Amino acid sequence: GQNIDQPTEMTATEGAIVQINCTYQTSGFNGLFWYQQHAGEAPTFLSYNVLDGLEEKGRFSSFLSRSKGYSYLLLKELQMKDSASYLCAAADSNYQLIWGAGTKLIIKP
Amino acid sequence: NAGVTQTPKFRVLKTGQSMTLLCAQDMNHEYMYWYRQDPGMGLRLIHYSVGEGTTAKGEVPDGYNVSRLKKQNFLLGLESAAPSQTSVYFCASTPVISGANVLTFGAGSRLTVL
Repeated sequence: GQNIDQPTEMTATEGAIVQINCTYQTSGFNGLFWYQQHAGEAPTFLSYNVLDGLEEKGRFSSFLSRSKGYSYLLLKELQMKDSASYLCAAADSNYQLIWGAGTKLIIKP
Repeated sequence: NAGVTQTPKFRVLKTGQSMTLLCAQDMNHEYMYWYRQDPGMGLRLIHYSVGEGTTAKGEVPDGYNVSRLKKQNFLLGLESAAPSQTSVYFCASTPVISGANVLTFGAGSRLTVL
């Protein structure tokens, strides 16, 4: 079957660094997405990885290891506005997205 | 530039009532999707469309119907609402199906079935 696993909730301190992990099992693989979703709002795109390695985009970085079925999202210099849910999604052989349940990130001052 | 617009944003139904959710996009995207989001679960695909006049079933299609008569609109219908259909519904669109097909989501429609 197809499955995405990510932690339900994480807590971090303003100004710190946090890493949100995601493991996936899909029928075929066409990339790994991270979306951010603030409470009561729509998901918005953060990053896409299809090759192994680290993609850096400002304070956010995303890593992929295809052999391990593993990705992580790294958030640096945390700000209060980063309090949100972070959704991991993998594209299968038909480019359909399989979604994780999301990780709720709580930032404390 | 509105992007993806969903109406209504909130709706309360009684069991057995019917309703239609409307999704409209002004980006000329070919692909449109309806998802539902429930607490503790990932987004689940209900139905999708690969172009005007086409529809296909997703992961959880039972109890829902869809239509895509015009490229910019994708309608989701509930013929006889059930409490299990209480959820937040998101419409999304993308221009192409390829690796980096980033979805643009609407703001969501919160449906409660009593």
